[in-house]
Amino acid sequence: GAGVSQSPRYKVAKRGQDVALRCDPISGHVSLFWYQQALGQGPEFLTYFQNEAQLDKSGLPSDRFFAERPEGSVSTLKIQRTQQEDSAVYLCASSLEQFTDTQYFGPGTRLTVL
Amino acid sequence: AQTVTQSQPEMSVQEAETVTLSCTYDTSESNYYLFWYKQPPSRQMILVIRQEAYKQQNATENRFSVNFQKAAKSFSLKISDSQLGDTAMYFCAFMKPFSGNTPLVFGKGTRLSVIA
Repeated sequence: GAGVSQSPRYKVAKRGQDVALRCDPISGHVSLFWYQQALGQGPEFLTYFQNEAQLDKSGLPSDRFFAERPEGSVSTLKIQRTQQEDSAVYLCASSLEQFTDTQYFGPGTRLTVL
Repeated sequence: AQTVTQSQPEMSVQEAETVTLSCTYDTSESNYYLFWYKQPPSRQMILVIRQEAYKQQNATENRFSVNFQKAAKSFSLKISDSQLGDTAMYFCAFMKPFSGNTPLVFGKGTRLSVIA
């Protein structure tokens, strides 16, 4: 079946603009994760959903970052008033079950803030 | 907090040869999962192999196998008969299962180049 998809693949924003990044998980997957990957680094956890509930947002770097998954499927990561340090690849992953299952990743969105 | 260390930022291997990528981790947990993910230049993170800590047998997937040493907290990846398509960043990752939140903790990665 279809894998995790993300859109847009590339986003260029001027500093101060708001951006919205979309993630479509694998159908039926309960858990959804957002990660931030800086250039040359491994991904770092941002936030986690189980169905529509956001159970952990401890990795969000500031209150400018906001994520939602209102119907327990598609998720949106929103960044308000973007800053240059927000430039990174944002990866979305989903897993079938909450506690033990392998996470499957989307292709990511590369955000560049000028 | 768990940490994952990959001490080899870059490695290269001749096509058809064997290469081993190193990974160590730090945790006080007794039950956990370990993963190797591959990230080609196209950026899609692809699962290579997964190991449950309670299993003593090392996981294998075709040309990929791991050497899991629980006491030493070591989890190396061996790629046999390397192919040009194996060129990618390889990330080792740790997951603590059976908790309310199961994000992956990644190492910084090893860039592998397979040379013809």
